[in-house]
Amino acid sequence: NAGVMQNPRHLVRRRGQEARLRCSPMKGHSHVYWYRQLPEEGLKFMVYLQKENIIDESGMPKERFSAEFPKEGPSILRIQQVVRGDSAAYFCASSLPLRGGWVVNEQFFGPGTRLTVL
Amino acid sequence: DAKTTQPPSMDCAEGRAANLPCNHSTISGNEYVYWYRQIHSQGPQYIIHGLKNNETNEMASLIITEDRKSSTLILPHATLRDTAVYYCIVRVQGAQKLVFGQGTRLTINP
Repeated sequence: NAGVMQNPRHLVRRRGQEARLRCSPMKGHSHVYWYRQLPEEGLKFMVYLQKENIIDESGMPKERFSAEFPKEGPSILRIQQVVRGDSAAYFCASSLPLRGGWVVNEQFFGPGTRLTVL
Repeated sequence: DAKTTQPPSMDCAEGRAANLPCNHSTISGNEYVYWYRQIHSQGPQYIIHGLKNNETNEMASLIITEDRKSSTLILPHATLRDTAVYYCIVRVQGAQKLVFGQGTRLTINP
């Protein structure tokens, strides 16, 4: 059973360009999360999605960032008009849906995409 | 989610047990204690979680005090591959996002 896959693993963009980061969840997982890790800092939650729905985007910057998880295909984190401060590692995680009210849905993380903005 | 406090760094000799403490004095009754680790440059890895009983799996043991205000993650026979940043996370039942603190940087020495 393949784990969470992210691509590309490394992405270099110039200021003002667009960055698209892709995440394929584990088989059977319908919940996807995106986290960002700035250099020398901890991971910060960005957004939580289920198929075709954004459930919680409380950690997303208000401008230039968007995320989707279409019915078919991977989840996409899109950053428009990148700036140097967007340079970071972006991690995707996936989980099974909750069963009843129990928190049994541990999240499984992908290897991350390292974005460098020149 | 309740705030957690961990020592910023710890060292442990290879082959010995590594005991990583975590304080969560404001934890409430429906909050679980989760542990993840992040080996350099990799995605975080789930280790274990618990509510109030001690838990053990193939990776580690989790000891939660009776008042639930603190816990200890135990790696029984640490290896060099266990060198990582370990995150203790308190998470309310049903919550989705993980709130990471600064964690403990554990270094296993040969």
